[in-house]
Amino acid sequence: EDQVTQSPEALRLQEGESSSLNCSYTVSGLRGLFWYRQDPGKGPEFLFTLYSAGEEKEKERLKATLTKKESFLHITAPKPEDSATYLCAVQVRRAGGTSYGKLTFGQGTILTVHP
Amino acid sequence: DTGVSQNPRHKITKRGQNVTFRCDPISEHNRLYWYRQTLGQGPEFLTYFQNEAQLEKSRLLSDRFSAERPKGSFSTLEIQRTEQGDSAMYLCASSLRGAETQYFGPGTRLLVL
Repeated sequence: EDQVTQSPEALRLQEGESSSLNCSYTVSGLRGLFWYRQDPGKGPEFLFTLYSAGEEKEKERLKATLTKKESFLHITAPKPEDSATYLCAVQVRRAGGTSYGKLTFGQGTILTVHP
Repeated sequence: DTGVSQNPRHKITKRGQNVTFRCDPISEHNRLYWYRQTLGQGPEFLTYFQNEAQLEKSRLLSDRFSAERPKGSFSTLEIQRTEQGDSAMYLCASSLRGAETQYFGPGTRLLVL
């Protein structure tokens, strides 16, 4: 069974204090790993997709990396507006090379950035 | 706004009543997904459509839940004989086939009393 585990469950940072969020996964064949941001009471907002080990993507203060077993979301010099729940999800590759449609999510990391 | 839209945004119902939610995907997205999210958890897959065809349904999905996408555009999710355990946020997402990024709507928050 596909599994996704995120750590820590909650992270409190001071403004400007850089850190990383972890997403560990166990899947039969990874088609893609997705990072989303979710604000309270809203739907998840897409951030990144990573497809293969060694791949990196950046957006403003966020950088996502991928290995064969885990992904990291690095936050550099965070601001209070970066406070949100960050969700990691995997999509599995089917034997023929196409993907199953569904995403399997971790439980999320709640990030709070204090001014 | 050309994003995914969901209606209603909030629904309060009594146990045993039926409820129906609507999702309008991003225009021209042919895949549509339903997820359920409870407090402190990530979204959990329920079902998905490619055009009108329902291609996968979660084994965890009770037979009280049914989803349709009759013309390959909007979709409805119906819950019959609601139970308190059905209280959750119901999320809809859409994607283009071959470009698998799923874009989520704002969700419908259901409270069953």
